[in-house]
Amino acid sequence: AQKITQTQPGMFVQEKEAVTLDCTYDTSDQSYGLFWYKQPSSGEMIFLIYQGSYDEQNATEGRYSLNFQKARKSANLVISASQLGDSAMYFCAMSGNNDMRFGAGTRLTVKP
Amino acid sequence: DGGITQSPKYLFRKEGQNVTLSCEQNLNHDAMYWYRQDPGQGLRLIYYSQIVNDFQKGDIAEGYSVSREKKESFPLTVTSAQKNPTAFYLCASSITLLGTEAFFGQGTRLTVV
Repeated sequence: AQKITQTQPGMFVQEKEAVTLDCTYDTSDQSYGLFWYKQPSSGEMIFLIYQGSYDEQNATEGRYSLNFQKARKSANLVISASQLGDSAMYFCAMSGNNDMRFGAGTRLTVKP
Repeated sequence: DGGITQSPKYLFRKEGQNVTLSCEQNLNHDAMYWYRQDPGQGLRLIYYSQIVNDFQKGDIAEGYSVSREKKESFPLTVTSAQKNPTAFYLCASSITLLGTEAFFGQGTRLTVV
């Protein structure tokens, strides 16, 4: 079975600084996708970034980048130049041949 | 506009009653999912469906049931057998199960009174 682990329940970062949110995964599938979502207090899930297991280059979307290390089975999210609006829950997720699963999440707080 | 719609946004249920949460998408997606989220926690997979008339149990399917009679609809019934149903329920859809972004509805907050 697939498993996603986020070991940081909460993180703090100073406004305008960069922050890394950790995500490790476990799967026996050869082909899979890795995602990051943001969930503000309103509850909606906002897609941030995607990395395919066969993609050799790390994905980037604006201020978001995914540090993909396949051998270590990690898919860390890097947010550059943090903004106050980045304060939210962040979830790592993985899709495989059977389903799509999420980690427990990391609550990020950006300090002014 | 294409999207995924959940209704109602808030739902109150008396103990012992079944209740059905609606999820409709007009994105022509094959895969649909139901997740449960408890306060301060992550999303746990209840059921998912890859195609019409087919669905699979997730990690916490006990006390829940689903149907997939149409591609665009994936309703979730919370039965009286679910011992602790108060939670936030999220429905999602994706083109397929692999390699594509999942689009989420706005969620339904269910409270048992």
